Amino acid sequence: DIVMTQSPDSLAVSLGERATINCKSSQSVLYNSNNKNYLGWYQQKPGQPPKLLIYWASTRESGVPDRFSGSGSGTDFTLTISSLQAEDVAVYYCQQYYNPPFTFGGGTNVEIK
Amino acid sequence: EVQLLQSGAEVKKPGATVKLSCRVSGYIFTDHYLHWVRQAPEKGPEWLGLVDPEEGATIYSEKFQARLTITADTSTDTAYMDLSSLTSEDTAIYFCATGGTPGDGFNAFGPWGQGTPVMVSS
Repeated sequence: DIVMTQSPDSLAVSLGERATINCKSSQSVLYNSNNKNYLGWYQQKPGQPPKLLIYWASTRESGVPDRFSGSGSGTDFTLTISSLQAEDVAVYYCQQYYNPPFTFGGGTNVEIK
Repeated sequence: EVQLLQSGAEVKKPGATVKLSCRVSGYIFTDHYLHWVRQAPEKGPEWLGLVDPEEGATIYSEKFQARLTITADTSTDTAYMDLSSLTSEDTAIYFCATGGTPGDGFNAFGPWGQGTPVMVSS
């Protein structure tokens, strides 16, 4: 199974400041035949299901604010929130969908400092 | 609007089987894989398996292979998940989610159902 490791476990950022979350996969999730990274990012607020933010490592889902961006390739990925807003307080998960079982990172809890 | 509507909360005794449903609307059910994911209290999501609703083909996580059955009823656009031999470790919220197509392959998951709480307790 591909193990997804996120860091940090939690993050406190001032309103308007940048938040950066890292995700590392135990093997590459880059599919060479189409040059796509099979990596997604999700936001989960209490009592709600996860919500897809980013897919193919860097493609923003429709309706997601452009302060959210994804980067990286192969085994190392980053989710950046460029200017943290109060409504961004949540737990964020990365997930690989390269190979079943599709595995998630342990989550990063983002709070306001 | 794409919607995935899941069945209500369940309380089961150890050793029992739970059957959950997920009815979809707003898209062609047979066009996309339907996944089941669970989330134990204070834990991250855990993928259980998927069904291709058109073919009925399934892929299960090896962890659940022996006691998980996922099916799809194309006449009602509903997917089902049966999990047997329940223990307290199966206490979690169970989600369905759509993602990927048989033609184009796997993709990220979205949208998701609202979740079904399952408690296993004697």
